[in-house]
Amino acid sequence: GNSVTQMEGPVTLSEEAFLTINCTYTATGYPSLFWYVQYPGEGLQLLLKATKADDKGSNKGFEATYRKETTSFHLEKGSVQVSDSAVYFCALSDGGYTSGTYKYIFGTGTRLKVLA
Amino acid sequence: NAGVMQNPRHLVRRRGQEARLRCSPMKGHSHVYWYRQLPEEGLKFMVYLQKENIIDESGMPKERFSAEFPKEGPSILRIQQVVRGDSAAYFCASSRNRGETQYFGPGTRLLVL
Repeated sequence: GNSVTQMEGPVTLSEEAFLTINCTYTATGYPSLFWYVQYPGEGLQLLLKATKADDKGSNKGFEATYRKETTSFHLEKGSVQVSDSAVYFCALSDGGYTSGTYKYIFGTGTRLKVLA
Repeated sequence: NAGVMQNPRHLVRRRGQEARLRCSPMKGHSHVYWYRQLPEEGLKFMVYLQKENIIDESGMPKERFSAEFPKEGPSILRIQQVVRGDSAAYFCASSRNRGETQYFGPGTRLLVL
């Protein structure tokens, strides 16, 4: 079945360091891919998305490219800030091929801590 | 434009009681999804509803859990006779149409004593 695998956390970085959070997926059909961010005690906020191969999603300095050949959607940011400390979730929408539902399948999340 | 609203934000129940979680989708959205997040885990799909219809409940436990999305009013996730293992954060998401981006509410954190 469809699945998402994220790198384990926590990830601890100093301010202005480069960030990569790996995400790979298994899916039938042509899923859409998402990154969501969850700040402590809050819900999920959509960070960026990509709907087809080679698309690059970007927002607030974060980027991720939909790589069909490596089934990956790694999240990157060139210079992290303390305010980026949160849990990041990679997710795919199964596109309705398996269930017709377009439900999201999430990775287990990666906690990022940025130190000043 | 108000986002997805969920209430209550926090809910404490004793074992055997009932829990009712409410979700009001974004304006203009008629598709609602419920997800559950256990501690230190990702979100798991529970159920997908359109107005007055359950489309997919493949992620719902077979007993004690039910969901509805009436013609008027919020979507309700109902958990009867709660047990400690039901303690989790329950998130609702909505989309305008099937297959479009889902927007999440702030969640209801259920604690069963």
